[in-house]
Amino acid sequence: DAGITQSPRYKITETGRQVTLMCHQTWSHSYMFWYRQDLGHGLRLIYYSAAADITDKGEVPDGYVVSRSKTENFPLTLESATRSQTSVYFCASSERGPEQYFGPGTRLTVT
Amino acid sequence: DQQVKQNSPSLSVQEGRISILNCDYTNSMFDYFLWYKKYPAEGPTFLISISSIKDKNEDGRFTVFLNKSAKHLSLHIVPSQPGDSAVYFCAASDPSGYNKLIFGAGTRLAVHP
Repeated sequence: DAGITQSPRYKITETGRQVTLMCHQTWSHSYMFWYRQDLGHGLRLIYYSAAADITDKGEVPDGYVVSRSKTENFPLTLESATRSQTSVYFCASSERGPEQYFGPGTRLTVT
Repeated sequence: DQQVKQNSPSLSVQEGRISILNCDYTNSMFDYFLWYKKYPAEGPTFLISISSIKDKNEDGRFTVFLNKSAKHLSLHIVPSQPGDSAVYFCAASDPSGYNKLIFGAGTRLAVHP
């Protein structure tokens, strides 16, 4: 199906483990973004990418790593998960204007 | 410090009445504003936007008003319907570029019969 997808939709992991959240878009949009949503904070930008092999930090990048070897994929890795990284994660993409299109989200619980 | 603020965490409105959601911002360099709607277990979806060169934009039941001097925008929904019950996020286009957005904390709207 066309659009933007995220996997897994739900994930439970233990403190200290590495976990990767996947994001895939079929529009060939240049820009891709990772956000986390926490109560009282809205959506906070973790990392963004302007094109393949071009990534940069957002507002809350600590503890996260991204890569973008292909335009359509933008995985987010938690190198050593902590309880404070329990959150809902959204991937988004955009092209010309500021309007972004969001995936369905991944709910991550770190125990 | 939050550059985009939605000071009302929740709003309850009766079906058929007007819903007014408010948003304040601090950076006068913001030139584009957007509203997103989010249902539980789904991603945010774009609702309506406004450029800073305008003071009003309308799309069906949804109207966004921008008051640049007050650094304030509002989303009006008329008439409100139960299906409008969702969390609404205000966002501003980051002037540093790269199509980045800065979001408010969101307002949960409940429309009851």
